[in-house]
Amino acid sequence: DTGVSQNPRHKITKRGQNVTFRCDPISEHNRLYWYRQTLGQGPEFLTYFQNEAQLEKSRLLSDRFSAERPKGSFSTLEIQRTEQGDSAMYLCASSLAGGGQAGEQYFGPGTRLTVT
Amino acid sequence: GDSVTQMEGPVTLSEEAFLTINCTYTATGYPSLFWYVQYPGEGLQLLLKATKADDKGSNKGFEATYRKETTSFHLEKGSVQVSDSAVYFCALVSGSARQLTFGSGTQLTVLP
Repeated sequence: DTGVSQNPRHKITKRGQNVTFRCDPISEHNRLYWYRQTLGQGPEFLTYFQNEAQLEKSRLLSDRFSAERPKGSFSTLEIQRTEQGDSAMYLCASSLAGGGQAGEQYFGPGTRLTVT
Repeated sequence: GDSVTQMEGPVTLSEEAFLTINCTYTATGYPSLFWYVQYPGEGLQLLLKATKADDKGSNKGFEATYRKETTSFHLEKGSVQVSDSAVYFCALVSGSARQLTFGSGTQLTVLP
């Protein structure tokens, strides 16, 4: 399967703990995005990378959140000192660069985080 | 900032009924417009897109026309099937931005 994969699919953690999620994009895609989706809402943009460079971060990405894409392939999203408000589905997407490709993103199945 | 407004759901239709899901947007410049679909237990998938005014995107019997004058991109299908049951999201990319701005989604259930 050459789609976008995310691990873990589900994560339950206690408030105050740190969590890390992984995303493996489609191999030839050089752009990688993170979104957050809460129940009954559409995905909200968090951050994106082009190759290994993090080019944009949303104001939703507080200083407790950090994302990396060290070799321009897979990416990790870490949340430190989790809060109950962090409970959501975290989605990863990838795409090709190029003006005509903007918006044509391929999404993974998501990681559902529950903070108790 | 950019925003997308979708009709409230959920929408329940009988098989072979006509479907319209309304979508309007606010954006700077000339956005590209998209419909994404999320089937139960699956990730979001691109359904169709339109990149300029009066373009019509189409796929799997679904259509949407980019209407600049009404800032709308309504999704239509002439005859829905049970397999079309899913959540549908309208989205846009505006200007130099690379990220999608999504609406809140519309849950569609098609009954046999």
